[in-house]
Amino acid sequence: NAGVMQNPRHLVRRRGQEARLRCSPMKGHSHVYWYRQLPEEGLKFMVYLQKENIIDESGMPKERFSAEFPKEGPSILRIQQVVRGDSAAYFCASSWDTEKLFFGSGTQLSVL
Amino acid sequence: KQEVTQIPAALSVPEGENLVLNCSFTDSAIYNLQWFRQDPGKGLTSLLLIQSSQREQTSGRLNASLDKSSGRSTLYIAASQPGDSATYLCAPWGGGGNKLTFGTGTQLKVEL
Repeated sequence: NAGVMQNPRHLVRRRGQEARLRCSPMKGHSHVYWYRQLPEEGLKFMVYLQKENIIDESGMPKERFSAEFPKEGPSILRIQQVVRGDSAAYFCASSWDTEKLFFGSGTQLSVL
Repeated sequence: KQEVTQIPAALSVPEGENLVLNCSFTDSAIYNLQWFRQDPGKGLTSLLLIQSSQREQTSGRLNASLDKSSGRSTLYIAASQPGDSATYLCAPWGGGGNKLTFGTGTQLKVEL
């Protein structure tokens, strides 16, 4: 049973471009969480999704950020018109209930 | 809103010492608490999960205690080794939504 898979591992974008981060949860897991870790800061919750539903997006910036977890395929975190302040490590976690989360290795986004 | 504080922020010790890492959280209405390890540039590895009804959990040289009513958890590391060098993160579940809230971590360095 493979762990939580995130790709790409590293993503470089220029200001104004779009960034798409993918997360494949562990087999059998229907809960997905996205966290962001800014340089020298702790992990901050962004969004919690179940299949086809956004359960809690209280940590998502109001503009430019969106997330989905379709019935088939990975969860996608999408950042439109990226700015330098979006540079961070983005982590995805999954669980089959709400007891224990398993984290992926993260995507390091660098905005030039 | 749950807030998590970890003390100390950084710790450097010689190999073989027994260590205590502290975590405090503001909202005691939690379901469980996890301790994670994060290595530079990598994802999170779950070390221990303590249910809200439990007082402690042990895994090898690691022991975590939980005092839910006072909002505190402690991670004990026995006979520290250089391979223990990493950032240790405390994350209660609940007390502000169905999600983990992370502290900023304790950066541990164990020297030969």
